[in-house]
Amino acid sequence: QSALTQPRSVSGSPGQSVTISCTGTSSDVGGYNYVSWYQQHPGKAPKLMIYDVSKRPSGVPDRFSGSKSGNTASLTISGLQAEDEADYYCCSYAGSYVWVFGGGTKLTVL
Amino acid sequence: QLQLQESGPGLVKPSETLSLTCTVSGGSISSSSYYWGWIRQPPGKGLEWIGSIYYSGSTYYNPSLKSRVTISVDTSKNQFSLKLSSVTAADTAVYYCARQAVAGPGNWFDPWGQGTLVTVSS
Repeated sequence: QSALTQPRSVSGSPGQSVTISCTGTSSDVGGYNYVSWYQQHPGKAPKLMIYDVSKRPSGVPDRFSGSKSGNTASLTISGLQAEDEADYYCCSYAGSYVWVFGGGTKLTVL
Repeated sequence: QLQLQESGPGLVKPSETLSLTCTVSGGSISSSSYYWGWIRQPPGKGLEWIGSIYYSGSTYYNPSLKSRVTISVDTSKNQFSLKLSSVTAADTAVYYCARQAVAGPGNWFDPWGQGTLVTVSS
């Protein structure tokens, strides 16, 4: 099972929107609506931001949204804030009770 | 609220077995809605799912690690454990435990423990 493909880094200015992509295959991202996204600040544990492609857990700002088209899922952060600067990871169910993570994307708020 | 805490040796010698325990507090590990997972992160690198267990003892492992991994559960202590055998320097990582939903509540890992760094070195 190969890791999902994410851009190494993205950046944006405060108030802008950024989108992070997560590309897999028809066996994982494209085959199930079970993509989740995690935010990780340096030295901290990951935090769930989006699950089941586009659902937000309670407490997560509605500036965070998720979507999927074919084998690529996306996380969009609108109205960027300084505290959004972190690493972001996608995760997908890959069938047969196997899960795969993406390589991670470093978001820089300029 | 639900909290998870990893514990175990921070240093393991090459070829030996890494053993970690995750203690769950604020909720029961025997909940029928959730699995319990282990995820690791080598220094400066991404996350890798290691495996998961249901309170009944059913286990699911990453195919790339399956031959070396054993995950077990102790419902009486509200704990689950990870054993990784024949470790090498490549197994040096921060190891996290997390609650995992796979069906009704959705498909996600949340919350996560704070993580524990395990270094493989002689």
